[in-house]
Amino acid sequence: AQRVTQPEKLLSVFKGAPVELKCNYSYSGSPELFWYVQYSRQRLQLLLRHISRESIKGFTADLNKGETSFHLKKPFAQEEDSAMYYCALKGSARQLTFGSGTQLTVLP
Amino acid sequence: SQTIHQWPATLVQPVGSPLSLECTVEGTSNPNLYWYRQAAGRGLQLLFYSVGIGQISSEVPQNLSASRPQDRQFILSSKKLLLSDSGFYLCAWKSSSETQYFGPGTRLLVL
Repeated sequence: AQRVTQPEKLLSVFKGAPVELKCNYSYSGSPELFWYVQYSRQRLQLLLRHISRESIKGFTADLNKGETSFHLKKPFAQEEDSAMYYCALKGSARQLTFGSGTQLTVLP
Repeated sequence: SQTIHQWPATLVQPVGSPLSLECTVEGTSNPNLYWYRQAAGRGLQLLFYSVGIGQISSEVPQNLSASRPQDRQFILSSKKLLLSDSGFYLCAWKSSSETQYFGPGTRLLVL
């Protein structure tokens, strides 16, 4: 079975501080991991995916198979980063399994 | 370019009434389509997905059903709404790169 765990429902950091949103997964095969983001009054959208190994809006995420984690990191948070973040996993099934989400608030 | 529409944007319905939410996709053919419910503190729950016309897979037993009468149309229905059906419903389609693109959502309040 596929499972994604985001242990933090709410996370607040000050502007300029580093931020890490945790994501752990459970899957026996080789997963494909994603981070989706939903800004206020906007649609849920893809932020980044692990196979692209890219940095989007200053965010990066590294897949750690040993720890079964895919934490999202940014060295200096900005107020516009405040949003709901979902980690998602694609295993053998056609559908994505989403975590319960983390609401990030960046304080001025 | 591809776009995805949902309507209505907001719906208030009494308990026991029927439901029909519609999702349509433009600019792509034979997409995989998904219905999710987004609930505060519970994240994004997959309700149904469809890989083609008339093909529906249900992920969780519930009071809802889905249909795909046309290639780019996905409908979420209920014969009798329950209070627990209240929530925010999202439709999505999946590209060949496995990225899912979400619609604007429908907020349903059952009273």
